[in-house]
Amino acid sequence: ILNVEQSPQSLHVQEGDSTNFTCSFPSSNFYALHWYRWETAKSPEALFVMTLNGDEKKKGRISATLNTKEGYSYLYIKGSQPEDSATYLCAFNTGNQFYFGTGTSLTVIP
Amino acid sequence: NAGVTQTPKFQVLKTGQSMTLQCAQDMNHEYMSWYRQDPGMGLRLIHYSVGAGITDQGEVPNGYNVSRSTTEDFPLRLLSAAPSQTSVYFCASSYRDNYEQYFGPGTRLTVT
Repeated sequence: ILNVEQSPQSLHVQEGDSTNFTCSFPSSNFYALHWYRWETAKSPEALFVMTLNGDEKKKGRISATLNTKEGYSYLYIKGSQPEDSATYLCAFNTGNQFYFGTGTSLTVIP
Repeated sequence: NAGVTQTPKFQVLKTGQSMTLQCAQDMNHEYMSWYRQDPGMGLRLIHYSVGAGITDQGEVPNGYNVSRSTTEDFPLRLLSAAPSQTSVYFCASSYRDNYEQYFGPGTRLTVT
């Protein structure tokens, strides 16, 4: 069983604040790192798939970086909006197997 | 495109009963997978398939069977339901294993 840890567990920020959270994963057997956004009463939706050390991905106000040598990825949200409120999941992919973290729950206060 | 569909949305079973959770996708994806979601835990992989006729076990396969006779369908069978299988089940699909996964709406299963 592989350990994928996300921190913090939950976060409350004011509208307009920028924020970031961390996903830590084993540095061996790396194949890809996935980020998902999961809104209450919906299904997880893919944000990014990252495969190379040093990868940086961006989608609107959300971006992510990847360090496979030390086993971590950061997700950044610039200028948080209430609609960004969700749980953000990361998943460590060793090939065909996926190991998910428990997520960071973000609440953006208007 | 309907994307990934799952049926039923809700199900209550008695201990020892069997049932099949249905999953279908219309995106011609090769990779399909089943996860369970339990409070305080991340999504855990039950079984996966990399193409028609090929299935393999994930992290928590005990008590579940799968088959993949077509690219579109990937049913999950509970052989003899136990209260420990009370959970929310998600099916997902992707073009390949390192592409983004598309999740179905989930099935909430309660075993009494």
